[in-house]
Amino acid sequence: AQTVTQSQPEMSVQEAETVTLSCTYDTSENNYYLFWYKQPPSRQMILVIRQEAYKQQNATENRFSVNFQKAAKSFSLKISDSQLGDTAMYFCAFMKTSGTYKYIFGTGTRLKVLA
Amino acid sequence: DSGVTQTPKHLITATGQRVTLRCSPRSGDLSVYWYQQSLDQGLQFLIQYYNGEERAKGNILERFSAQQFPDLHSELNLSSLELGDSALYFCASSPPVGYEQYFGPGTRLTVT
Repeated sequence: AQTVTQSQPEMSVQEAETVTLSCTYDTSENNYYLFWYKQPPSRQMILVIRQEAYKQQNATENRFSVNFQKAAKSFSLKISDSQLGDTAMYFCAFMKTSGTYKYIFGTGTRLKVLA
Repeated sequence: DSGVTQTPKHLITATGQRVTLRCSPRSGDLSVYWYQQSLDQGLQFLIQYYNGEERAKGNILERFSAQQFPDLHSELNLSSLELGDSALYFCASSPPVGYEQYFGPGTRLTVT
């Protein structure tokens, strides 16, 4: 069975600084997707970034980038130039693309950006 | 705005009652997922439908059921409600290609 682990329940970062959120996963699958979702205080779930496992190049979306280490089963999210609006809960998610399609979410990391 | 709509936004009901939550996916999306999020908890996957058929089942209680209609909207039915069912219920949809999910704003259910 697949598992997703986010070992940092809470983190804080100064505005304009860089922060990295960690995520590890366990799977025997070779084909899968990984995602980071953000949940601000409004509770809306927002897709931040996605990574296809077959792609070696790390995904980037503006200030958000990932460090995908497939062999180590690690998928960390780097937020550059942190802004107050980045304050949110961040969830890492795994989805295998064969057989039963089921998302597995980590328990989340609460990030607070300090002014 | 993700394009996924959920109604109602808030629902307050008593233990033992039955409620129906409704979700309309984004235009063109065939998959609908339901999740439960209790206070300050992660998301628990409940069930997935694809083009009207059940595709995957997660930790869904027997008291809960769902369906996806021909127009692709979906309903989650919760019956014999208990206090512990109080949570935020999310619906998400995903496109035929890509697997990313787009979430609705959620329905906050309070069971008293």
